[in-house]
Amino acid sequence: DGGITQSPKYLFRKEGQNVTLSCEQNLNHDAMYWYRQDPGQGLRLIYYSQIVNDFQKGDIAEGYSVSREKKESFPLTVTSAQKNPTAFYLCASSLGLAPGYEQYFGPGTRLTVT
Amino acid sequence: DAKTTQPNSMESNEEEPVHLPCNHSTISGTDYIHWYRQLPSQGPEYVIHGLTSNVNNRMASLAIAEDRKSSTLILHRATLRDAAVYYCILRDWTGTASKLTFGTGTRLQVTL
Repeated sequence: DGGITQSPKYLFRKEGQNVTLSCEQNLNHDAMYWYRQDPGQGLRLIYYSQIVNDFQKGDIAEGYSVSREKKESFPLTVTSAQKNPTAFYLCASSLGLAPGYEQYFGPGTRLTVT
Repeated sequence: DAKTTQPNSMESNEEEPVHLPCNHSTISGTDYIHWYRQLPSQGPEYVIHGLTSNVNNRMASLAIAEDRKSSTLILHRATLRDAAVYYCILRDWTGTASKLTFGTGTRLQVTL
């Protein structure tokens, strides 16, 4: 079955540590996205990528970094510079960036930093 | 993204049709209307989208008003698995990224 996988589902880290969240898709989609969702709130875009080796900052990129070395993979690193890293992180992909394309989401990773 | 307005919550009985309304009076001519739904602690799930004409897929139907200022998501036979928060979203081509901006959505409860 085609889809998006994110691992792990739950992640716990100590403050001051960097942590990398995995996102893999086998939908052959060019575009991939990272969102953050806080309790009772909507999605906020962290980074997005239209194509391999290219990515752009979203609305809240500070304290985060990404890479896109393969079409299937778009890992997100939450650095120690991110002031409030505890959140639900969602990866998504779509055929392209245009608004006529739907986005497909992974199951999410819940990160808790103490 | 242009603003949408949805009721906070709706209830339905299982096996009955559900009509979820969405108002978007400031929609522009190039805005696509997207619907997603989300269960607690899960990623959002794409439901349907359209531009001007009504759309059908295996999950639902989307009815778009002629003036495009409102739309209705139709679940033909609600099941318990359809209980979720449903988001109506307008997406336009910004030239950079067509992100999803979720509002508060409609919480759908389905009862036996």
